Formats: sequence, C-alpha cells, structure tokens
Amino acid sequence: AQSVTQLDSHVSVSEGTPVLLRCNYSSSYSPSLFWYVQHPNKGLQLLLKYTSAATLVKGINGFEAEFKKSETSFHLTKPSAHMSDAAEYFCVVTEGSNTGKLIFGQGTTLQVKP
Amino acid sequence: EAGVAQSPRYKIIEKRQSVAFWCNPISGHATLYWYQQILGQGPKLLIQFQNNGVVDDSQLPKDRFSAERLKGVDSTLKIQPAKLEDSAVYLCASSQGTIGTGELFFGEGSRLTVL
Repeated sequence: AQSVTQLDSHVSVSEGTPVLLRCNYSSSYSPSLFWYVQHPNKGLQLLLKYTSAATLVKGINGFEAEFKKSETSFHLTKPSAHMSDAAEYFCVVTEGSNTGKLIFGQGTTLQVKP
Repeated sequence: EAGVAQSPRYKIIEKRQSVAFWCNPISGHATLYWYQQILGQGPKLLIQFQNNGVVDDSQLPKDRFSAERLKGVDSTLKIQPAKLEDSAVYLCASSQGTIGTGELFFGEGSRLTVL
C-alpha cells in the first residue's frame, strides 16, 4: 500500500532563510507525488506535482521538490522563506491507478519568524 | 472561476444527532470527493464520485455516513447518528478528469464539533 511519512511535524525558520520540509514515501507502483499547502481557514492548494517526468519539480511561490527514487524521498525546498509561507504542508501520494485518491502525510507546520 | 463551495462552514451538534453537509464543485468537474480531516492528521478520503456514480467508498463508515451526488453536480454528505469521534473538518474537492490527475481543488471545509 502507498504511504508517505513527513519527518517533521513542525519546522521553524527565519524570514529569508532556506526552507526544507522532508517527506519519504512508500509505493508499490511508480508513484505520483504531490505537495499541498493549507493556510489557516483556507482550502488545500496544490503546490507542485511529480508524475514521472523531470525529477526536479518546480511549483508555485518559488517552491521546488526533488524526486529521489534511491532514497524514496520527495523533499520540499525553497531558497528564501517569506512570512506568507507560514502554513501546513502535506506530502501526498496517489493510490495506484486511482490518481484521485490522495494519501496524505500527517502534515508539517511551517513557522516563519521575522 | 468560482471555487468549490461548501456549507455550512461550522456546525456544533450533540452526539446521536444528525448533520448534513453540502458541496457544489467547480463547474464542469466530473469527479467529486469528500475527505475527512481530524485535528492533527492529514485528510482521509471518505468517498469519490465520478459524475453521479461511486468510484471508491471503501473508507466510508456506512453504518452512519451516507453521501449522494444527484445529477452529477452537487453533493451532500450526511452523518446519522453522529459520534464524538466524527468531530473533524469535512473537505469537499473536485477534479476535471474522470480518473483524476492528482490535482484536486478543495473547498474551505465544514468544521463539525460533536459534543
């Protein structure tokens, strides 16, 4: 069965410093992987997705993620954090051929300090 | 483009009462989903519709939860009777494709508190 593990429940960075949110996955298939972001009292929004094309995926708001099959990882990065990046981030894998069934990680809360 | 609409945004009920949530997906989206997000956890799929047919309801507690999508557009999710552990945010989402590409558009959710 597919699953994702987000290695940090809470990450705190200073504004202007790099962001790293870690995610490991487990999948019997060639996985499709995603990062979603959830701002307080807002709906979940897709940040970026990997679907077996380029291993380095660029998303919105300057975020990137790199698919590393040998490490079964899909970490999310951003070179310079902005206050508006403070939110809950979810690493997500799809279940087999049903690419609408998203399997979410537990989430990582990103705090950005001024 | 209008997003996914959900109502009510908040609901407080006593255990054993019933509650219903409504969702209007993005126009033209064939697939509609209901996810349950318990505090501190990632969302979990309850049910997935393609047009007005059910694709996956394997994690829907069918003894108390029911959902329908009449005419392949709006959907309602009902809980009867509610239990304390049903306290959660119920997220509705929609996607364009019939199978889906993993890109789901989520509503802001309906927060349920069961006392």
